[in-house]
Amino acid sequence: GENVGLHLPTLSVQEGDNSIINCAYSNSASDYFIWYKQESGKGPQFIIDIRSNMDKRQGQRVTVLLNKTVKHLSLQIAATQPGDSAVYFCAEDVTGTASKLTFGTGTRLQVTL
Amino acid sequence: DGGITQSPKYLFRKEGQNVTLSCEQNLNHDAMYWYRQDPGQGLRLIYYSQIVNDFQKGDIAEGYSVSREKKESFPLTVTSAQKNPTAFYLCASSMGRGGQPQHFGDGTRLSIL
Repeated sequence: GENVGLHLPTLSVQEGDNSIINCAYSNSASDYFIWYKQESGKGPQFIIDIRSNMDKRQGQRVTVLLNKTVKHLSLQIAATQPGDSAVYFCAEDVTGTASKLTFGTGTRLQVTL
Repeated sequence: DGGITQSPKYLFRKEGQNVTLSCEQNLNHDAMYWYRQDPGQGLRLIYYSQIVNDFQKGDIAEGYSVSREKKESFPLTVTSAQKNPTAFYLCASSMGRGGQPQHFGDGTRLSIL
């Protein structure tokens, strides 16, 4: 879409498969992390968040994993559906209050039938 | 229903003209934010406000101005000093505490005539 990156990393998965989207964050002091989904022409939509005192959190069809040792965050989507096609952003926050988020550049997820 | 409303969806600016983007929220959130999104990049923070009548510069505030006279409203003015204003502008709000995520509007696309 015109409002998200034209040259983003792209992950292609088949419908029904599981998707794993990765994110390397920059600040070892960050203690709150969020995943957003952005569809073309729309604003980012909150998916799931996790605090640094956790290493895993599950939602409906989604799981976020946090590895503070290597500053890595991942989003797993189970049984990927065509409606999951979008750009996914991770964001980190050092304040713990989501008042100063730093966003990654995003990953485009394409779901093939 | 509660949410964040941005208007207009599309806006065109002539050279030397100031334009104002509207953002209204009825979520009773204390904090509000403005971001700029360019292709191939993540969201970059322009200005944010954690309380009425107070706001702070973000990472790319030059050429922009804001006001926060009401809790529900946080308008952004793109001034003629902003030499590259063509972008997708996103407004967000949050509780501003306790690890609650930012929620976004559906953006305004600004283009130069």
